[in-house]
Amino acid sequence: DAGVTQSPTHLIKTRGQQVTLRCSPKSGHDTVSWYQQALGQGPQFIFQYYEEEERQRGNFPDRFSGHQFPNYSSELNVNALLLGDSALYLCASSFNRVTEAFFGQGTRLTVV
Amino acid sequence: GQQVMQIPQYQHVQEGEDFTTYCNSSTTLSNIQWYKQRPGGHPVFLIQLVKSGEVKKQKRLTFQFGEAKKNSSLHITATQTTDVGTYFCAGGGASGTYKYIFGTGTRLKVLA
Repeated sequence: DAGVTQSPTHLIKTRGQQVTLRCSPKSGHDTVSWYQQALGQGPQFIFQYYEEEERQRGNFPDRFSGHQFPNYSSELNVNALLLGDSALYLCASSFNRVTEAFFGQGTRLTVV
Repeated sequence: GQQVMQIPQYQHVQEGEDFTTYCNSSTTLSNIQWYKQRPGGHPVFLIQLVKSGEVKKQKRLTFQFGEAKKNSSLHITATQTTDVGTYFCAGGGASGTYKYIFGTGTRLKVLA
């Protein structure tokens, strides 16, 4: 039984570019949440997808958008990348939004 | 907006000593979760507390949820080198919201 898988593991982008990160939730999970974790900080909630809709959103600009597919997998898109977007992006899956969250290994994004 | 603070930020202990981290929310929580993140790793779920005043134990770890559901603590008895990592609390908001706000984390180092 695979856990939460994220791709790619590492990514280097240039300022102004766009990036798409992908997440496959743990088998049986229907909810995907995305977090941004800067070095030495706690994960910051970006948004949560449930039933293919964005249900909750943190304090992130509209440059951050997402999608959830019928198979519950999810994508995080970031447009017009800034240097400050460099961070570890974590995907967490859970069942019915409120149970324990299982985190993927994350995607390390570096913006240069 | 809701804020979750943890103290201390860092803690160095000798192996065998006890360790406690405290979590305080600016708002009343519906529940609280605790995670452990090893260096270079991703957060791993430890436990979820829901009831006011709830106390749960996992071997050497004791978790407590405050009566007012605004604070929580994690206590480790007789620390071991395997306890090294950063411990995060994550507060679940009031009913109807499903995002978890992570605390600032406490980084634990255990000296052998």
